[in-house]
Amino acid sequence: KAGVTQTPRYLIKTRGQQVTLSCSPISGHRSVSWYQQTPGQGLQFLFEYFSETQRNKGNFPGRFSGRQFSNSRSEMNVSTLELGDSALYLCASSPGSGARYNEQFFGPGTRLTVL
Amino acid sequence: QQQVKQSPQSLIVQKGGISIINCAYENTAFDYFPWYQQFPGKGPALLIAIRPDVSEKKEGRFTISFNKSAKQFSLHIMDSQPGDSATYFCAAGGAAGNKLTFGGGTRVLVKP
Repeated sequence: KAGVTQTPRYLIKTRGQQVTLSCSPISGHRSVSWYQQTPGQGLQFLFEYFSETQRNKGNFPGRFSGRQFSNSRSEMNVSTLELGDSALYLCASSPGSGARYNEQFFGPGTRLTVL
Repeated sequence: QQQVKQSPQSLIVQKGGISIINCAYENTAFDYFPWYQQFPGKGPALLIAIRPDVSEKKEGRFTISFNKSAKQFSLHIMDSQPGDSATYFCAAGGAAGNKLTFGGGTRVLVKP
């Protein structure tokens, strides 16, 4: 099986712009979660989508949003970028149901730099 | 109540030695405890995971020990190899979906 793919791998944006990141989960997986990784705050949960519905949400401002499509692919959007949004954004795929429903497999991440 | 505390922050071990990383959690609703390994420039890779109904789980050179009453769990890496040099994260998750709360990470260096 192919792993989790994320595009683009690297992005440079300026303050005030918006950005959209994409994630394709492992085939057959219906849950996609997004995390932010920074040296200062570590790995923090953003949100989870399961069958096109947001199932969990972390403590991030409304500038961070996401969605999931019928083929389980997911996108996250950050509007009005701030310098502090510079981070590695990781997508994790899991079956979402069944015995191993919450085993999460991460993609390589998208490195976002905000100037 | 959502915190997961991980120690030590860094660890140096000789090749062939044992690496031990500890984590403690507060929220008793957590029922899934995975460990991840991350190399520079890569996403975290799932190593091994445990649920509270068992006290130990072993997969190859990696063992998780779980103490439910103390709300602690640990990762033991036996016969550590230079290729094990990476950052290791513990995490905890609950029954409601796939929200994982991560520890701060431990940077492990295995010296040849």
